[in-house]
Amino acid sequence: QVQLVQSGAEVQKPGASVKVSCKTSGYTFAGYDLHWIRQAPGQGLEWMGRIKPYSGGTTYAQKFRGRVTMTSDTSINTAYMELNSLTSDDTAVYYCARDTALDPWGQGTRVTVSS
Amino acid sequence: QSGLIQPPSASGTPGQRVTISCSGSSFNIGNNYVYWYQQFPGTAPKLLIYRNSQRPSGVPDRFSGSKSGTSASLAISGLRSEDEADYYCVAWDDILNGRMFGGGTKVTVL
Repeated sequence: QVQLVQSGAEVQKPGASVKVSCKTSGYTFAGYDLHWIRQAPGQGLEWMGRIKPYSGGTTYAQKFRGRVTMTSDTSINTAYMELNSLTSDDTAVYYCARDTALDPWGQGTRVTVSS
Repeated sequence: QSGLIQPPSASGTPGQRVTISCSGSSFNIGNNYVYWYQQFPGTAPKLLIYRNSQRPSGVPDRFSGSKSGTSASLAISGLRSEDEADYYCVAWDDILNGRMFGGGTKVTVL
């Protein structure tokens, strides 16, 4: 079955960067877009952007442009999301999700930004 | 526009029908498909409805979606205690060139 397994929780200091991975299995990785969405504590869902693994093409939400980089490695069916210049507002659970339908989702990676 | 508009909460008694609205514009809901997700506390969201009204396999037919103009809605009929969760609508926005989420609706079973 299709599975998306994300890397473990991270604690970072303000100003640092974080890189979250999303390892996929059960389908042709290059054939589907991979989206990244985050959820701050007690808040709703926020779309960050997407990557097309077969081409590496990306579309980022305007809010994150210049600060986020999404990449993929088709040899290991894994996508990555790196967010720079972290502030406390970036404390959230970060999710990856497959395709236009955002189905399925990874289990989430909790990122805490604290001095 | 900061996002699609959903009521923050909705409630009903077991067996009732509950409807959640999702309001947007011609640049998002009016011109693109709407998707709905269900999220339980501490877990990842799950796809409930795709392409306005289609149910993935495994989703009970108590859940239904519809769209008209720049608004969409999710209906839960025969409400059950296990339906208590947060529900989100999503659509592509042509101006933002990105996905736009609703703020989420917390459904409570009384």
